[in-house]
Amino acid sequence: QSALTQPASVSGSPGQSITISCTGTSSDVDDYKSVSWYQQHPGKAPKLMISDVSNRPSGVSNRFSGSKSGNTASLTISGLQAEDEADYYCSSYTSRWSRVFGTGTKVTVL
Amino acid sequence: EVQLVESGGGLVKPGGSLRLSCAASGFEFSIYSMNWVRQAPGKGLEWVSSINIGSSYIYYADSVKGRFTISRDNAENSLYLQMDSLRAEDTAVYYCAKETTYSTFDYWGRGTLVTVSS
Repeated sequence: QSALTQPASVSGSPGQSITISCTGTSSDVDDYKSVSWYQQHPGKAPKLMISDVSNRPSGVSNRFSGSKSGNTASLTISGLQAEDEADYYCSSYTSRWSRVFGTGTKVTVL
Repeated sequence: EVQLVESGGGLVKPGGSLRLSCAASGFEFSIYSMNWVRQAPGKGLEWVSSINIGSSYIYYADSVKGRFTISRDNAENSLYLQMDSLRAEDTAVYYCAKETTYSTFDYWGRGTLVTVSS
């Protein structure tokens, strides 16, 4: 199972919106509504930000939103803040009953 | 409060074995699937293995299949990962993660570092 493809880095200024893409195949992202997004700060465990494509867990800022079209899922962060600077990973269920993560995207707040 | 606490990591020689444990508390452990996810130094997340509530459905990443064994003890609220025939490329922080729906890991432990080196 190959990792889902994410851009290595995305940057934006405070207050701007950015979007991170996550591209898979017909065997994972395209076939299931089980795409999640995680935020990871250096030296910390990942934190769930979005589940099932677009559901935001309790306590997660509404500046984070998710969507999906075909085999590509997206995470949008609006009103970018300094605290959003972190690594972001998508994940998906797969047709082989396994799970797969994306390659990861480093978000930099300029 | 949900807590997942991994233990058992350390330094091991190539070809050696190690058993990781994850102690769960703050939720009804027996009704959730559990997973192990690892992260090599400076690298991304890699899913390792999953186990369902009754241990009847167990899956592994191709990279560890045949060498790692996941198990759980619902009476003890514990998750385990037996790692045999360890290789240098298995060096990583290993996280225990609670799974709600497929591929949704809502709680993670802080991880335990496994270093495979001679």
